[in-house]
Amino acid sequence: DQQVKQNSPSLSVQEGRISILNCDYTNSMFDYFLWYKKYPAEGPTFLISISSIKDKNEDGRFTVFLNKSAKHLSLHIVPSQPGDSAVYFCAASGSEKLVFGKGMKLTVNP
Amino acid sequence: DAGVIQSPRHEVTEMGQEVTLRCKPISGHDYLFWYRQTMMRGLELLIYFNNNVPIDDSGMPEDRFSAKMPNASFSTLKIQPSEPRDSAVYFCASRNTAGGRKLFFGSGTQLSVL
Repeated sequence: DQQVKQNSPSLSVQEGRISILNCDYTNSMFDYFLWYKKYPAEGPTFLISISSIKDKNEDGRFTVFLNKSAKHLSLHIVPSQPGDSAVYFCAASGSEKLVFGKGMKLTVNP
Repeated sequence: DAGVIQSPRHEVTEMGQEVTLRCKPISGHDYLFWYRQTMMRGLELLIYFNNNVPIDDSGMPEDRFSAKMPNASFSTLKIQPSEPRDSAVYFCASRNTAGGRKLFFGSGTQLSVL
């Protein structure tokens, strides 16, 4: 059973527009959430995180929103840039382990 | 600072052969994780260590898989015998307790079992 779900396998947006990546989780014990970005032939790199005591966290062009009642989080990228094209993984943690979703491929077109 | 270092980057082997993947975590990190990435299952945790001790190996698919961490700067993941369904990208990641739950990943080993 998948505890962290990224239901859309891909997203394509125009440069300068907003990219919204969604993630759902099932385990109510999760209290910390992260987004990772992955380029081909490289390992995932940390992007942004949020604790369950917050509902929003911003870092430059990246904002993560958490809706605990819906067990849903989203990553907003504004404005999107071609260099943002990558696979994005959502991850959740309730202990020492991180549980990842399957990833979503974002393509930002110039 | 050197990141997490994995070797080899690519491994091609034949079914039935033994495969050993290697990882050097970031110096000072006390947690080490092994993940496997496939299209079907995404990034799945295989096993993790804390202070060189295996804590949770519930993700190891079967007895053909084993992992060791003989010291704080080295870990291995071994598959014996290998099977074509083991073909995947294997990632090693590390972190330290003071840094929270954020993981730092290596570049991965692309394993192909023919």
